[in-house]
Amino acid sequence: KAGVTQTPRYLIKTRGQQVTLSCSPISGHRSVSWYQQTPGQGLQFLFEYFSETQRNKGNFPGRFSGRQFSNSRSEMNVSTLELGDSALYLCASSLVGGGFGYTFGSGTRLTVV
Amino acid sequence: AQTVTQSQPEMSVQEAETVTLSCTYDTSENNYYLFWYKQPPSRQMILVIRQEAYKQQNATENRFSVNFQKAAKSFSLKISDSQLGDTAMYFCAFIYSGGGADGLTFGKGTHLIIQP
Repeated sequence: KAGVTQTPRYLIKTRGQQVTLSCSPISGHRSVSWYQQTPGQGLQFLFEYFSETQRNKGNFPGRFSGRQFSNSRSEMNVSTLELGDSALYLCASSLVGGGFGYTFGSGTRLTVV
Repeated sequence: AQTVTQSQPEMSVQEAETVTLSCTYDTSENNYYLFWYKQPPSRQMILVIRQEAYKQQNATENRFSVNFQKAAKSFSLKISDSQLGDTAMYFCAFIYSGGGADGLTFGKGTHLIIQP
């Protein structure tokens, strides 16, 4: 059974550019969440999608957005990149979310220069 | 909003020893779930153990067990017979039963080093 797949693994972008990260959840999982991990702030919740609808959203500016497709695959987009957006972005999938537990991918390491 | 605190930034023990990682949390809710996740250098977060708040019995998974004290809002992880492969960052996490607007709330983590 395939795990959660995130692409790309590494990304280097320039300030002001935009970036799209991709996440393929475990087959059958309908909930996909995104987290940002930095040394200073730790792990912070970005948003959660369930059946193509954004169900919850963390405290991030509108430059961070996402979407989920009918096959549950999800993308997150960051526009007008800032140096502070450099982080590990983790995707997690779950059957329905909540207390059922989440399976994480290996993340995308984004570096903004 | 709930908070999760891990007071030990780093711990180091010898192989085969038992180690306990501390976690406290703050919430006004009664129904929630608690997790311990392990993040090795490969970066992938791996679920170690899960506890349902309405269950008084402490969760156990092989060498991993928790001490869940709901009234004290404490959720510590005990690793018995520690192995070199246990070296990793360990994160305590909380989520409301209904999922909640904040998703998983994580502590800052404990870097556990198992010495040979």
